[in-house]
Amino acid sequence: SQKIEQNSEALNIQEGKTATLTCNYTNYSPAYLQWYRQDPGRGPVFLLLIRENEKEKRKERLKVTFDTTLKQSLFHITASQPADSATYLCALVELSSNTGKLIFGQGTTLQVKP
Amino acid sequence: NAGVTQTPKFRILKIGQSMTLQCAQDMNHNYMYWYRQDPGMGLKLIYYSVGAGITDKGEVPNGYNVSRSTTEDFPLRLELAAPSQTSVYFCASSRGRGATNEKLFFGSGTQLSVL
Repeated sequence: SQKIEQNSEALNIQEGKTATLTCNYTNYSPAYLQWYRQDPGRGPVFLLLIRENEKEKRKERLKVTFDTTLKQSLFHITASQPADSATYLCALVELSSNTGKLIFGQGTTLQVKP
Repeated sequence: NAGVTQTPKFRILKIGQSMTLQCAQDMNHNYMYWYRQDPGMGLKLIYYSVGAGITDKGEVPNGYNVSRSTTEDFPLRLELAAPSQTSVYFCASSRGRGATNEKLFFGSGTQLSVL
């Protein structure tokens, strides 16, 4: 069956450290992956997109990698801050999709402690 | 620009009641979506629309209906509400196809309880 999975356990790290979140998928052929941030009581906000032919993408303190062999994307936040505390969602669109529908993982909650 | 606006923010329904969740966007986006989010679960697509007059089912459409008479508005109708429809509902929009165009802009959500 098709699955897109993120760590369901919350990730707790100390301020200043690098947070690494994982997104694994099974039986999908993504055209690209997107990462979103969701704060409590709010809708998700787009952060980064990485295409299937790209290995790495950066934006300020954020870095995303995409390994189609491992069927995995990693999302890194360097020099993490308490303000980075939120739930992070990955989502993919399949190569075969003619509608561009996004399929979401369940999200991983990050808690950055001062 | 207000972006994507959803109303109401909270609602309690009794079993069997009906209601419409409103969604409007002012970004002239062609694509609009309705998702539901249950605790600890990912966003599940209910319905989507690729333009005015065109709608299609997503992953979990049962118990819901939509219409898209204008580019701006995409209301979600719940008929005969059931406890299984207790959830947080998000409306989203995007410009269209292609990786960059398909990033979603979300509303702030409607928390619905069916008792």
